[in-house]
Amino acid sequence: QKEVEQNSGPLSVPEGAIASLNCTYSDRGSQSFFWYRQYSGKSPELIMFIYSNGDKEDGRFTAQLNKASQYVSLLIRDSQPSDSATYLCAGGSNDYKLSFGAGTTVTVRA
Amino acid sequence: NAGVTQTPKFRILKIGQSMTLQCAQDMNHNYMYWYRQDPGMGLKLIYYSVGAGITDKGEVPNGYNVSRSTTEDFPLRLELAAPSQTSVYFCASSGTADGYTFGSGTRLTVV
Repeated sequence: QKEVEQNSGPLSVPEGAIASLNCTYSDRGSQSFFWYRQYSGKSPELIMFIYSNGDKEDGRFTAQLNKASQYVSLLIRDSQPSDSATYLCAGGSNDYKLSFGAGTTVTVRA
Repeated sequence: NAGVTQTPKFRILKIGQSMTLQCAQDMNHNYMYWYRQDPGMGLKLIYYSVGAGITDKGEVPNGYNVSRSTTEDFPLRLELAAPSQTSVYFCASSGTADGYTFGSGTRLTVV
């Protein structure tokens, strides 16, 4: 069983602050990692993916991967009320199947 | 592009009834998946397919069946519905290793 664990929420941050989301995975064969955002009652939408150790930035989002520690994180800078959602971490190997964490719910306070 | 289309969006079934959840994608993706999402539990893989005519079980296949006769369609069949199958079902597809595209989901209640 490939397991992906996310830090327990919910996470509440003030507008303009940095939201930090963490995820660990058990399968050392996992090669690719994804962050999805899911608004209440909607389907998940892909925010970012990362394959290599280090940081990857896309606008206000930064994904970080540390394969030695089996750790993935997502930073949301300058958090906006529209960032309020549940964030799902997922990991996959070369079989094109993803294992998802339970999600962390983020609330950005205006 | 329509992307991944799921029907129906909502359904109430009685215990023991059967139904088919439809999923179609227009992106010519080889890989298709069915997940279920229970509150606070994340997404669990039910079945997946790597191409037309090829399907395989995921983590939670019991009580479900699938078929993949074309690249576009990947229906999920529920036989003898049980309350434990009350969930939100998502179909997804991918053409590369760069993540999934999800459908809008089917909210199923079994009473």
